[in-house]
Parts: sequence; C-alpha cells; structure tokens
Amino acid sequence: ETGVTQSPTHLIKTRGQQVTLRCSSQSGHNTVSWYQQALGQGPQFIFQYYREEENGRGNFPPRFSGLQFPNYSSELNVNALELDDSALYLCASSPRRGRGEETQYFGPGTRLLVL
Amino acid sequence: KQEVTQIPAALSVPEGENLVLNCSFTDSAIYNLQWFRQDPGKGLTSLLLIQSSQREQTSGRLNASLDKSSGRSTLYIAASQPGDSATYLCAGPGSARQLTFGSGTQLTVLP
Repeated sequence: ETGVTQSPTHLIKTRGQQVTLRCSSQSGHNTVSWYQQALGQGPQFIFQYYREEENGRGNFPPRFSGLQFPNYSSELNVNALELDDSALYLCASSPRRGRGEETQYFGPGTRLLVL
Repeated sequence: KQEVTQIPAALSVPEGENLVLNCSFTDSAIYNLQWFRQDPGKGLTSLLLIQSSQREQTSGRLNASLDKSSGRSTLYIAASQPGDSATYLCAGPGSARQLTFGSGTQLTVLP
C-alpha cells in the first residue's frame, strides 16, 4: 500500500510568481485536504477536496486554489506569491468525506521558500 | 470556532522519565481528538485518535485521554527514549471539515 506522496519536496520562488504543488492520495482514499504550516506553528487548513469538488475551505484568500483529479490526486495552486507564503505545505488523505471523524494520513510535505 | 492550545511549547527530559503533554480546546462538542508526531521538516504521523465516546486510548508506551467537560486532553509517554524526541501536535475537528491544530510541544529526550 502506497502512502501519501507530495512533489516537489522543496521549492524556491520569488514574490509575485505562481506555484503548483502536487499530492497523490493513499490508495483507496477519495478525500484530500491541504494545510499550510509556518515555522513553529501548527498546520492551518486551506481546503479539502472530495470526489473532485471543494468540500470546505479555511481562511485563505482566493489566490489559493486547488484541483482534484479522477484518480483522487490533487494540486494546490498559489498565485501572486507573497513572502508570508513561505511554509511547509502538507497534504492529507482520508477514506471518505472528512469531518475530522477519521484519521487523516499526511504526506511528507513541500517546503516552499518565497524570496 | 474551535481553538486548540498546547502547553508547554517545549519540554526537555532525561531518558526514562514519564511525561505528560497537555492540550486544551474550546469547543466541548468535539467528537474526537487526535495526537500526531512530527519530526523536524517532515510530515505528520498519527499516533492516537480518541472518539468522544471513549475516555482514553493506548498504543504501546503512549496513552491519550480526553475530558470533554473540561476541554482537555493529555498524552502520557511512559519510559521516554531519545527516539521520542519530536514535536507532538493535538488536533480536533473544526467547522469547515478540517482538523484544527495546536502549535505543538517540542519534546527533547536527553540520553
């Protein structure tokens, strides 16, 4: 059984650029959630996708957008990057629509640095 | 809105000591609480999930309790080892189908 994978592992961008982060969910999981974790803080919920539709969103601006594909893999897109977007971006998958009822399985994360 | 707080932010103990990490939450209607471990620069590993109908869960040297009435959860680690050094995060369900995390307790177990 393959766990949650994310790519790339590290990324450096400059302010104003756009970035796409990718996540492959664990086999059999149809729900993917994205979190942003700043240094020294707990992860903050960005949004969740269930069967290719957005299924909940945290307090992030519209320049944070996402997609889920028929194979349940997902992308996180961030436009007009700002210095404060520098963080570890975590993807988590779960086997059904999440209300936090079941364990979420996290990937290793993508470390984004915005200069 | 669910808010989760963890105290202390950092803890250093000698190997072999038993220790308790604390987590408090504001929404007593919480229906579960999870504890995660995070190694530096890595993703999160789920340790224990306590349903609201349970009062505690155990896995090896770890025991987590949940007291909804007081808005508290504790993670007890018995006979700590240097390999237990990591950041421990607790999380409860929030309002938008997400997990709401505390800021974590950074644990260092000294050999």
